[in-house]
Amino acid sequence: GQNIDQPTEMTATEGAIVQINCTYQTSGFNGLFWYQQHAGEAPTFLSYNVLDGLEEKGRFSSFLSRSKGYSYLLLKELQMKDSASYLCAVVDSNYQLIWGAGTKLIIKP
Amino acid sequence: DAMVIQNPRYQVTQFGKPVTLSCSQTLNHNVMYWYQQKSSQAPKLLFHYYDKDFNNEADTPDNFQSRRPNTSFCFLDIRSPGLGDAAMYLCATSREGAHAYEQYFGPGTRLTVT
Repeated sequence: GQNIDQPTEMTATEGAIVQINCTYQTSGFNGLFWYQQHAGEAPTFLSYNVLDGLEEKGRFSSFLSRSKGYSYLLLKELQMKDSASYLCAVVDSNYQLIWGAGTKLIIKP
Repeated sequence: DAMVIQNPRYQVTQFGKPVTLSCSQTLNHNVMYWYQQKSSQAPKLLFHYYDKDFNNEADTPDNFQSRRPNTSFCFLDIRSPGLGDAAMYLCATSREGAHAYEQYFGPGTRLTVT
């Protein structure tokens, strides 16, 4: 079966750095997305990785290792508005998007 | 601004009473998706359209139907809602290209079944 694993919940402090991990076992791989979802709202696109390495975009970076089936989302200089769920999603060999259940990130002052 | 619009944002229906949720987009994207999302769970894909080509997920119940009369609009019909169908319903679109699978989501319709 296809599986995406993320921690259910994480807590971090305002101004700090947090890393949210995602591991996947899918039939093939055609890219990995990270989405942010605030409570009661729709997901919004954060990043897309298809090659190994780090993609940086402002305070957010995303890393991919295809050989390890692993990605992480790194959030720097955390702000209270970063409190949200972060969803990892993988495009499989059939170009279907397999979603993780998300990691709820709680930011404390 | 180009966007994905869902109406209504909140819908209350009675057990067994048919309900229709609507989605429209001004992005001119080829692909439209309907997802069901329950609290703290991953979005679950119900259907998607590639242009007018309809693709039903294998585990989507027959109780759920969809229509896409043109590029801009897509509808989700729930023929006989049960209590287990209470959820957020998300419409999304994507275009072809290097980021074909970046999906643009509407704000969602939260469905309550009484």
